[in-house]
Amino acid sequence: DAKTTQPTSMDCAEGRAANLPCNHSTISGNEYVYWYRQIHSQGPQYIIHGLKNNETNEMASLIITEDRKSSTLILPHATLRDTAVYYCIVRSTQYGNKLVFGAGTILRVKS
Amino acid sequence: GAVVSQHPSRVICKSGTSVKIECRSLDFQATTMFWYRQFPKQSLMLMATSNEGSKATYEQGVEKDKFLINHASLTLSTLTVTSAHPEDSSFYICSATRPQGRSYGYTFGSGTRLTVV
Repeated sequence: DAKTTQPTSMDCAEGRAANLPCNHSTISGNEYVYWYRQIHSQGPQYIIHGLKNNETNEMASLIITEDRKSSTLILPHATLRDTAVYYCIVRSTQYGNKLVFGAGTILRVKS
Repeated sequence: GAVVSQHPSRVICKSGTSVKIECRSLDFQATTMFWYRQFPKQSLMLMATSNEGSKATYEQGVEKDKFLINHASLTLSTLTVTSAHPEDSSFYICSATRPQGRSYGYTFGSGTRLTVV
């Protein structure tokens, strides 16, 4: 399974863009990058996923580098409700397409 | 769309008893369901992968006789914690997956807080 590396924690001012980086240097060509977040004592919430092109939806944008070894999740206008643990996951294409979670990044949005 | 219901949300049981947790995909048929466990201030740990009509595949170190998984239909998987002990107290989360374009969508339940006393 491709491993991911994320900063342990980050702070962001309310209303500003939050840029969360993720390194996945061992990713293989057909493995997708998924982003989820988890607010305390809830199940993970899907944010976005992509293969090699940049993606955008109503929640966020995902920027994947050309070599696919890293990506950045962008929350364009962070609010206090975006405070959560954000997980970057590379989906395994072997062994049942499972999602294996790393430690994630604790994002604190501050007013 | 893509809603996963997990029940119960909280359960307290006595040591030695068994507890069943249900995971249902409400508006789609899940090709595969996954079960995770999460201890306080830790990440989610994958316990097992469950496919309808076949035996679950357990991750290394997870006792299959202790954590019984039944996946009777494409919309329901159950996890039974047998002979529960206080160290089994944890937050259990299920996930259901379905094909989505060229990839897969993964939807998580809201979790079950198990406390064994």
